[in-house]
Amino acid sequence: GESVGLHLPTLSVQEGDNSIINCAYSNSASDYFIWYKQESGKGPQFIIDIRSNMDKRQGQRVTVLLNKTVKHLSLQIAATQPGDSAVYFCAVGNSGYSTLTFGKGTMLLVSP
Amino acid sequence: DAGVTQSPTHLIKTRGQQVTLRCSPKSGHDTVSWYQQALGQGPQFIFQYYEEEERQRGNFPDRFSGHQFPNYSSELNVNALLLGDSALYLCASSRSGTGARQFFGPGTRLTVL
Repeated sequence: GESVGLHLPTLSVQEGDNSIINCAYSNSASDYFIWYKQESGKGPQFIIDIRSNMDKRQGQRVTVLLNKTVKHLSLQIAATQPGDSAVYFCAVGNSGYSTLTFGKGTMLLVSP
Repeated sequence: DAGVTQSPTHLIKTRGQQVTLRCSPKSGHDTVSWYQQALGQGPQFIFQYYEEEERQRGNFPDRFSGHQFPNYSSELNVNALLLGDSALYLCASSRSGTGARQFFGPGTRLTVL
């Protein structure tokens, strides 16, 4: 099976800093990786995803990096804003099966 | 374009009762997955429905069952509720053939007393 872990339960940053949230996975057959943001009392919100044939993908203010050799991915948020404060989950899947295994989440706290 | 919707928002039940939760997928999506999220944890996969059939199932007992309707909406049923079933139940929808990109609804908060 797959297990997904995050390196830090809480990350505190100042507004304007860049944030990096890390995630490790165990199953080398996993080929799909996705990041979600979850605010209190809401469902997870899609941020960005990446497939195993890529090692980097950029969105608006976010970048996901994938290192398949060490089974690690990270989410970088540029110029972090107070509105970015939330719990961030990485999820790992196999695109052939369309199911996701989630990590426990990292809480990002952004101070003004 | 409506996103994933779920009802009800909150629900309180007592042990032993049965509950039905409902989900309407995002427009254009035909696959529905259900997840259970305990407080402070990541979502855990319960099962996935496609073409009105359960396509995959996670490690949940048979007390958890589901259904998908021809309009792609879905229900999650839980029988013989236990205190440990208290959680946020999330529905996610996706388009078949697009891999695993899933979009989540706001969830139903179930409290079992």
